[in-house]
Amino acid sequence: DAGVIQSPRHEVTEMGQEVTLRCKPISGHNSLFWYRQTMMRGLELLIYFNNNVPIDDSGMPEDRFSAKMPNASFSTLKIQPSEPRDSAVYFCASSLGREDIQYFGAGTRLSVL
Amino acid sequence: DQQVKQNSPSLRVQEGRISILNCDYTNSMFDYFLWYKKYPAEGPTFLISISSIKDKNEDGRFTVFLNKSAKHLSLHIVPSQPGDSAVYFCAASSNNNDMRFGAGTRLTVKP
Repeated sequence: DAGVIQSPRHEVTEMGQEVTLRCKPISGHNSLFWYRQTMMRGLELLIYFNNNVPIDDSGMPEDRFSAKMPNASFSTLKIQPSEPRDSAVYFCASSLGREDIQYFGAGTRLSVL
Repeated sequence: DQQVKQNSPSLRVQEGRISILNCDYTNSMFDYFLWYKKYPAEGPTFLISISSIKDKNEDGRFTVFLNKSAKHLSLHIVPSQPGDSAVYFCAASSNNNDMRFGAGTRLTVKP
């Protein structure tokens, strides 16, 4: 398996634009996580899916953020409208179960100008 | 809230010496602890874990110690090598809790 695949690797956009980050988890994994990494807060859990169903989205900063998982092999994290403070590296991870070892993608570095 | 804390943002160690990275947690329900390693421009990768029924787990140069009464765990790397230079994240989870990560400690091993 190629591991968790995220796209794009880098995204530069202007404030107010919509941004969509994509993730393909490892085949057979039932849990998918979206994280945001910043210098100040380290790795923050944004949302967690189990069997394609959002279980915990308490980490999503505000209504501008939304995530979907239409099937077991694809998830998106959308920011609309984007703001400069959203600039960070966003990671997707998948695991067999919630408490199991998580395998991370290479991340998407988002810069909102 | 920061349920998992890594109070040292950085650590510098001489090659060949021991590196000790520390982690504290506040949620007594956590029963599974992990360390992840992250190189620049890559995602974190799993390094070593420990269950709460143990107080030590060793894998080659890496050993994780767990002190449940103090809600503290540490990662020992000995001997340290320049290739160990990375950011190390501590993580904790339980049946009723999502996995929570610390803010990370940047380890630099000097040749």
